[in-house]
Amino acid sequence: DGGITQSPKYLFRKEGQNVTLSCEQNLNHDAMYWYRQDPGQGLRLIYYSQIVNDFQKGDIAEGYSVSREKKESFPLTVTSAQKNPTAFYLCASSPRSASRNEQFFGPGTRLTVL
Amino acid sequence: EDQVTQSPEALRLQEGESSSLNCSYTVSGLRGLFWYRQDPGKGPEFLFTLYSAGEEKEKERLKATLTKKESFLHITAPKPEDSATYLCAVQARGGSQGNLIFGKGTKLSVKP
Repeated sequence: DGGITQSPKYLFRKEGQNVTLSCEQNLNHDAMYWYRQDPGQGLRLIYYSQIVNDFQKGDIAEGYSVSREKKESFPLTVTSAQKNPTAFYLCASSPRSASRNEQFFGPGTRLTVL
Repeated sequence: EDQVTQSPEALRLQEGESSSLNCSYTVSGLRGLFWYRQDPGKGPEFLFTLYSAGEEKEKERLKATLTKKESFLHITAPKPEDSATYLCAVQARGGSQGNLIFGKGTKLSVKP
């Protein structure tokens, strides 16, 4: 069954800690993305990667870091430098072809800072 | 500046009462417009992609249409299970594939 998995579903972080959110896809998609969703706001792009070992900053990259060592995996680290990390984090992937460029989303991780 | 505005913010319908959701956009050349459905606490579920003005797509009780400035998501005879937040997003030509601009969504409630 092809799809995108994110773990954990819920994550609690103490102030000053770094935490890593996992995102894995078995859709053979080239491109992967991380978004943040806050109540009353649209999804905002944090980072994206169109190919292994390459990634670009989105609109709100400060306080976050990513890696793309494998095509299937795109983990997101929320560092202690992120001032307001409590949010719903969504990972997505896309086939990145000329004819299809829709993004497909995982189930999300809800991060809460204690 | 590229922008997406969805209206209304919230919509309450009775079961069977048809209506439409609006997505207005300003973008420097449209590459694609996307509709998603999102249930509480879950990731968005892809519904439709529209590429050019005049294009229409249908799926069950949903029909999406596109003009040069806006898209409509028409819901015919909705059922309570259609209750969700509907998200619209656009992608601009010339931008990187990461540039998907989302609206804030319309929260639809369908009462039996």
